[in-house]
Amino acid sequence: AQSVSQHNHHVILSEAASLELGCNYSYGGTVNLFWYVQYPGQHLQLLLKYFSGDPLVKGIKGFEAEFIKSKFSFNLRKPSVQWSDTAEYFCAVNLDRGSTLGRLYFGRGTQLTVWP
Amino acid sequence: DVKVTQSSRYLVKRTGEKVFLECVQDMDHENMFWYRQDPGLGLRLIYFSYDVKMKEKGDIPEGYSVSREKKERFSLILESASTNQTSMYLCASSFRDNEQFFGPGTRLTVL
Repeated sequence: AQSVSQHNHHVILSEAASLELGCNYSYGGTVNLFWYVQYPGQHLQLLLKYFSGDPLVKGIKGFEAEFIKSKFSFNLRKPSVQWSDTAEYFCAVNLDRGSTLGRLYFGRGTQLTVWP
Repeated sequence: DVKVTQSSRYLVKRTGEKVFLECVQDMDHENMFWYRQDPGLGLRLIYFSYDVKMKEKGDIPEGYSVSREKKERFSLILESASTNQTSMYLCASSFRDNEQFFGPGTRLTVL
C-alpha cells in the first residue's frame, strides 16, 4: 500500500533555530510532492510543491524542500524559524501524476512549536 | 483566488441524525474531496469526485455517502451519525493533479 511517513510527530524549537521535517513515501513511480501548513485556527494552505525540474524548491515564508528520488524523500527545511511558524505541517504525495484524478496521500502531520 | 467554502464551521448533532455537510468551490475544478482530520491521524480521505455525478471511495467511506449534482458543489452525508464520527471535516478541490485547495473545515460533534 502506498504510504507517506512523517518522522516527527511534534517538534519544539526556539526562535532562530534551523528546521528540518522529514517526509518519505513508498512508491516507485513518478510523483508530485507537496507540503501544506495549517496555522492555528486556519485552513490548510500550500507551502510549496514539486512537480519536476530542480529538486530544490522554494516556497512561501522562507521554506524550502529537497526532493531526493533515490531516498523517496521530500524534506522540508527553514534556516531560521520564527514564533509565527508554529503550526502543523503535512507532507502529501500525488501518485497519479498526469492523471485527472488528483488524489493526494497525506502524512500524519508534524506539529511544530516555536518558543520565542 | 480560489475559494472553497463549507456550509458550517461548527455543527452539533445527536446520534442517529442525518447530517449534511456542504462544500462549494468557485474555480471550476473537476476534482473535489472530503477528508476527516483527527489528531495524530492526519487527513484521511473519505470520498472524492472527479466529475458531476461521479464519485470514488477513499480510505474510510464507511458510514458516509456523497452527492455531486453540480460541478461546484460536493456534499457529504452522514446517514446516521455516530459518536465516532465526531471530527473535523475538510473539503478540497483541484484541477487535475495540481495542488488541492482547502476549505476552512467543519467541526462536527455528535452527542
